[in-house]
Amino acid sequence: SQKIEQNSEALNIQEGKTATLTCNYTNYSPAYLQWYRQDPGRGPVFLLLIRENEKEKRKERLKVTFDTTLKQSLFHITASQPADSATYLCALDVGANNLFFGTGTRLTVIP
Amino acid sequence: NAGVMQNPRHLVRRRGQEARLRCSPMKGHSHVYWYRQLPEEGLKFMVYLQKENIIDESGMPKERFSAEFPKEGPSILRIQQVVRGDSAAYFCASSPISDRVGRGYTFGSGTRLTVV
Repeated sequence: SQKIEQNSEALNIQEGKTATLTCNYTNYSPAYLQWYRQDPGRGPVFLLLIRENEKEKRKERLKVTFDTTLKQSLFHITASQPADSATYLCALDVGANNLFFGTGTRLTVIP
Repeated sequence: NAGVMQNPRHLVRRRGQEARLRCSPMKGHSHVYWYRQLPEEGLKFMVYLQKENIIDESGMPKERFSAEFPKEGPSILRIQQVVRGDSAAYFCASSPISDRVGRGYTFGSGTRLTVV
């Protein structure tokens, strides 16, 4: 069955630095991978999607890479701000109209 | 555009009672997905519905759980004879077409079910 590992449950970073979150997966070759942000008590909010034939995707201060050989996606937030503090989830397309989510990495940006 | 609306936000039920969770998708969205999030666990797919049709219920427990998306009105996730293990956050997401084309989902804020 599919398995997703997101690096460390929690990541603390100083304001202004680049945060890098890792998503590793096994036993599947997804057509695309998505990243979401989830704040406490709220539903996930879609951030970025990257397809298997794309190496990199950017949106403002966010950058996602997708290495299908390593079975890994990296999610970067540049010039991080305290408002970026949240849990970030990666999700794989596993077909059959559903996404398989990781447990998330809780990011804290320290002022 | 009100987004995906879920109600109630919080629901407390005693063991053995029924829980009914409602989800109104975004305007123009005809595809609804239900996910469950247990404490310290990832979101788990439960069921995918279109209007009047269950397309994929492979994530639904075999007993006590059912879902519907009628022609009129919200989608309903129904849990009969709730047990403590059903306590979780239940999220609904909607999309305008099947996510097989790789678009992000729009999630609601969830219903937090507590079984006492």
